[in-house]
Amino acid sequence: DSGVTQTPKHLITATGQRVTLRCSPRSGDLSVYWYQQSLDQGLQFLIQYYNGEERAKGNILERFSAQQFPDLHSELNLSSLELGDSALYFCASSPRGGGGGYEQYFGPGTRLTVT
Amino acid sequence: GENVEQHPSTLSVQEGDSAVIKCTYSDSASNYFPWYKQELGKRPQLIIDIRSNVGEKKDQRIAVTLNKTAKHFSLHITETQPEDSAVYFCAASQMIKAAGNKLTFGGGTRVLVKP
Repeated sequence: DSGVTQTPKHLITATGQRVTLRCSPRSGDLSVYWYQQSLDQGLQFLIQYYNGEERAKGNILERFSAQQFPDLHSELNLSSLELGDSALYFCASSPRGGGGGYEQYFGPGTRLTVT
Repeated sequence: GENVEQHPSTLSVQEGDSAVIKCTYSDSASNYFPWYKQELGKRPQLIIDIRSNVGEKKDQRIAVTLNKTAKHFSLHITETQPEDSAVYFCAASQMIKAAGNKLTFGGGTRVLVKP
């Protein structure tokens, strides 16, 4: 158990809908990262938050957004869902954004299925 | 941006033999290289990492080597056991103070250890 928690474990929804994925980092970790894992694209970085602020952005679609709250949990919002958004979404946390404590520990993931 | 290539994509070894997975990266500014093990349906687990100021690091049966000049790094697993069967991912990152250290992943290597 990495100490990173994600809910829900599974999510099945229809095209065009909106969902919210939730992540709680390890105790004391300030950074939260979101990754998407699909069969054809592998593990892709989406976005990072550090202590409530956006720190880095990957190839995240405009239909996707995220935020980190004062208690450091993070939410990833996916809207206007398409079939191609079906994937495993992982959250990871690390102690700092950069300069030390670089290890990233992954949560169990949320499996999103869009039908 | 950074690009990480990983080879081979699949690797089958006999129990007790060694396994070697190789990765190359493109951005010479990358200076942190973790390896993750992912079992089917589970989270990626950090198994070992190396920073650019070190050429080799060992932890029991696993070791990682880094060649900064050639921009490649490798994972070595000795005395393989059936429980080593999994998908292994290499990654590269740039550790910059006050900036993000997003991970760029290789495509993964599926390792099968035959008893």
